[in-house]
Parts: sequence; C-alpha cells; structure tokens
Amino acid sequence: DGGITQSPKYLFRKEGQNVTLSCEQNLNHDAMYWYRQDPGQGLRLIYYSQIVNDFQKGDIAEGYSVSREKKESFPLTVTSAQKNPTAFYLCASSMMPYGELFFGEGSRLTVL
Amino acid sequence: AQKITQTQPGMFVQEKEAVTLDCTYDTSDQSYGLFWYKQPSSGEMIFLIYQGSYDEQNATEGRYSLNFQKARKSANLVISASQLGDSAMYFCASLADDKIIFGKGTRLHILP
Repeated sequence: DGGITQSPKYLFRKEGQNVTLSCEQNLNHDAMYWYRQDPGQGLRLIYYSQIVNDFQKGDIAEGYSVSREKKESFPLTVTSAQKNPTAFYLCASSMMPYGELFFGEGSRLTVL
Repeated sequence: AQKITQTQPGMFVQEKEAVTLDCTYDTSDQSYGLFWYKQPSSGEMIFLIYQGSYDEQNATEGRYSLNFQKARKSANLVISASQLGDSAMYFCASLADDKIIFGKGTRLHILP
C-alpha cells in the first residue's frame, strides 16, 4: 500500500544526544515536509524539500537538520542544539508544491 | 510572510447542529491554496477539504464545506449535522510560496 512511514513511533533520548527520525514515502511525491507539534498547539514547519538534493528552512529550523538524497526519503536530525526537542514530529508529502498533504503517523520524541 | 489565524481555541456544539470554524489567512501570493485537516486524539492528520484561490465555487466534501471569502481573506469550515465522531482538533492551512503552514487549531467538542 502507498503511504508515508515514520519511525520510530516513540523515542526516548538523553539530553545532549542527536537523534534521527526517519520518513519514507512510496507515493512518488516530489515535496516532503517536517512539522513539529507541541501539546495543544498547531503544526510548525521545520524544513521542506521540493526536489532531491534541495531543501529549505521553515519557521523553526534552528537545532534541526535534514537531507534529501533520495526522492523517497527525508530524514530529520534533532541535534543537541535544539533547546526543547520534546515534541510530536510529523512528516508529510505532496504530489507537487500545490497539492494535498499526506501525513505519516508521527514520531513522539521525549528527551529526558 | 504567510500567516493563518484561528481565533477559536475551543468550541462546544450540540450533536446534529451545524458548526462553523473560523480561519483567516494572510499571504501576498496571488495563487494559493487553503486546506482543512482534522486531528483526532490518535494524532493522525486527516485531510478534509481544499480550496484554490482561483476557484469560484466554494469547495464541498460531504458534510464539510468551505466558506471562502477572498476579499476578507477568510476560509471558514462548515460542518453540517455534527456527529460525536467530529470531536477533534481542526487545523486550517495555507499553501503559498511553495510551503504549507498551519494555524494553531480549534478543539471541537460535540455534546450528545
């Protein structure tokens, strides 16, 4: 079945450690996005990519990094520079810049 | 810069009544898209409806309709005949300048 797979679903890390969240899609979508959601809040854009080997910062990119080496994959690294990394992270993709977003199930990161 | 404003943090509505969720947007792009998503307590993001800036007719999808008032930069979601399963967070989003941003959401409670 086509869709977006995020892993892991739950992740616990100690403060100061980098963590990488995986996002894979088999929808052949060009655009991919990472959002952060805090409890009771909306989604804030971290990074987005329209094509392979290219990506742009969103509104809250500081402390995060991404890569887009393959069309299907858009991993997000939460670095130790991110001051408050505990949150729910959602990956999404769309057919082109002007299309409906398809979301993964999310990754819940807790930093202890 | 783009901005989405949802002014209703929470709403309580009696089952079977219609409900309107407010959304205003701000973008300098001439071509843009507007979306509504539903997020149940499970965390998944469910696409509800889309309106393009050049669409002359208001979008409708089953019990959902989008009241698009371009001059007022308003894109309110109307849910007719609300059901208990409509209880969830609802997010308005805009697509412009190749990125999609979200409002802070409205938590809708449907009362039996």
